Amino acid sequence: EVQLEESGGGLVQPGGSLRLSCAASGFIFSRSWMTWVRQAPGKGLEWVANINTDGSKTNYVDSVEGRFTISRDNAKNSLYLQMNSLRVEDTAVYYCAKEGYVSDWGQGTLVTVSS
Amino acid sequence: DIVMTQTPLSSPVTLGQPASISCRSSQSLVHSDGNTYLSWLQQRPGQPPRPLIYKISKRFSGVPDRFSGSGAGTDFTLKISRVEAEDVGVYYCMQATYKGSFGQGTKLEIK
Repeated sequence: EVQLEESGGGLVQPGGSLRLSCAASGFIFSRSWMTWVRQAPGKGLEWVANINTDGSKTNYVDSVEGRFTISRDNAKNSLYLQMNSLRVEDTAVYYCAKEGYVSDWGQGTLVTVSS
Repeated sequence: DIVMTQTPLSSPVTLGQPASISCRSSQSLVHSDGNTYLSWLQQRPGQPPRPLIYKISKRFSGVPDRFSGSGAGTDFTLKISRVEAEDVGVYYCMQATYKGSFGQGTKLEIK
């Protein structure tokens, strides 16, 4: 059974940084693209970033380009999202998902950016 | 970036009746590998999204066969043959051909 567990969310001030993690199990992590998706309170889903199997190729939504970095550690079956220069509008539940076509999802971790 | 547009944004449906949601992309979703990475997801209140359909029409394991997907190029449709109470929620289309992007969501509710 595929399991994805996000962690690292919390309250941070505007301009601050946070690193999200996603622990994966139940599948061959090193063979799967991985994706981050977020959902602001009461809003729809927003695709954030994805990464290929060996971490050599990454893609970002324009609004986070240059501020967020997606990465992975295949030896640890873990996915990461380093978030810098956080803005109030980055407040959301952040989900990690398996594959580019998001076949499996974690429960999400809440990031709140507020002063 | 590819913009995904769903219609309608709200759909009141009678139990046992069919429902249909449309999704249009701002450009063709046919990937260079020949696949079309168009998915449909369901999100019930307070829960993470649940993937239903991928590559236009393939159902994920455990998804009831009353859910079906169709379409090509830039126009896609999710159909529920007979709506059940558990189908209430918000439905999203998503493309993963060029980076990724979601539609605005369609709220399915019972009349």
